[in-house]
Amino acid sequence: QVHLVESGGGVVQPGRSLRVSCAASGFTFSSYDMHWVRQAPGKGLEWVAVISIDGNIKLYADSVKGRFTISRDNSKNTLYLQMNSLRAEDTAVYYCARDITVGVPDYFDCWGQGTLVTVSS
Amino acid sequence: EIVLTQSPGTLSLSPGERATLSCRASQSVNGNYLAWYQQKRGQAPRLLLYGASSRAAGIPDRFSGSGSGTDFTLTISRLEPEDFAVYYCQQYGTSVLVAFGQGTRVEIK
Repeated sequence: QVHLVESGGGVVQPGRSLRVSCAASGFTFSSYDMHWVRQAPGKGLEWVAVISIDGNIKLYADSVKGRFTISRDNSKNTLYLQMNSLRAEDTAVYYCARDITVGVPDYFDCWGQGTLVTVSS
Repeated sequence: EIVLTQSPGTLSLSPGERATLSCRASQSVNGNYLAWYQQKRGQAPRLLLYGASSRAAGIPDRFSGSGSGTDFTLTISRLEPEDFAVYYCQQYGTSVLVAFGQGTRVEIK
C-alpha cells in the first residue's frame, strides 16, 4: 500500500529555518518524481516544488525560490523540504505528493496527510 | 503561465442532485492534461480524474469529466453525502510549473 507520511512541522519565528520530511513506503520511491504542495489556512492548493527521481532537477514556485530547497534520499525513501528565511505567508499545511511519472510535472496520485508549519513570533 | 479559474466558488445543492463544476484555463491546455481532486475537510486532496475525463482507481462512475482546450467540466451525477467537499482542477504535462484552480466548494443546501 502506497503511503506518504510528513513530519517536522511546528511553530517557527519569522526569519528562522525549518526542515520538513516525507517518508515513503509501499512503492519504489526512486522511480517517481516527488512534489511539495502547500495550503494556507482556509485557502486553496499552492504548488511549491518538484524534484526528479535522481535529485538532479529541482523546480520551485516563484514564491519560495531562493529560500526553499527540495531534496531526497532514495536510500532512506525520504523527501525533504528545507525552508529558510521563513515568512508569515509561508504558514500552511505542507503536503508531499507523488507524481504519476517522471519528466514534465504531471498529476499526483498519492498525497501524504500533511504537516502544519506556522510562522509566528 | 496558465491560470485556472474555477466557478462557481460555492455550489449549494441537496443530496441526489446533479453538480456541475467549471474550470477555465487562460490558454489552451495541451493534450487535455487536466486533473480534478476532491478535498474533504481536514484531509489531503484525492485524485478523481486525469486527462480531463479518465477516472482514477476506485472513483465511482457518478464522477465524470469533459471538456477540451480551455473549458473543462466536472460533473457529479447524483450527489452522495460524502461528495460534499472542495474540488480543485490542475493542469499538467507542459513545460510550465504546476497550477491549481482556486477551488469550488460543494455544500449541502
